[in-house]
Amino acid sequence: GAVVSQHPSWVICKSGTSVKIECRSLDFQATTMFWYRQFPKQSLMLMATSNEGSKATYEQGVEKDKFLINHASLTLSTLTVTSAHPEDSSFYICSARAPTSGDYNEQFFGPGTRLTVL
Amino acid sequence: DAKTTQPTSMDCAEGRAANLPCNHSTISGNEYVYWYRQIHSQGPQYIIHGLKNNETNEMASLIITEDRKSSTLILPHATLRDTAVYYCIVRVRSGSARQLTFGSGTQLTVLP
Repeated sequence: GAVVSQHPSWVICKSGTSVKIECRSLDFQATTMFWYRQFPKQSLMLMATSNEGSKATYEQGVEKDKFLINHASLTLSTLTVTSAHPEDSSFYICSARAPTSGDYNEQFFGPGTRLTVL
Repeated sequence: DAKTTQPTSMDCAEGRAANLPCNHSTISGNEYVYWYRQIHSQGPQYIIHGLKNNETNEMASLIITEDRKSSTLILPHATLRDTAVYYCIVRVRSGSARQLTFGSGTQLTVLP
């Protein structure tokens, strides 16, 4: 299957700082990427859908000015958590969708980024 | 997307088959059944998907009932590394860029 990477795999930051997380599709071009958030012992919750060259679509309750998403190329989407607070501590996971899906999985997930805000 | 119901947790002995059920009684004709799993602190991993026929790949088998209202994921010879949360997701497999909606899943624990 296709490979999606995330960087960093974990990050610890002070409250009030901003953190950028990168999501890359390594061997395919992704017209659409999705950003999920997962709190401990909970399921994945979609935060936003990122389309290359256009503005992201945010799910209800997700602050677009706090979670900035940029999808400037077909292989890279970034999520910036601005003015991070301890309640933003979570596991952030991206997935990428190939523009043409074969007869199998359509979305490929990254390994996740563990954010801890002190 | 149709709602799915899965048991919260299951145990399985190492080397035995793990059978994970999923109910999706409101599934519509154009919706597929997808299975993903998530090992602790990792991103979800695709396992298998199907529409109405049983499917098998190198990881698992998917058995879908004739009325399509339920399905079972079978890991034929479970290993300790198969311990994970398994998600059954039902969705339209269209060309639109729709996200996957994850439920609570089933925590499978493979016991030595």
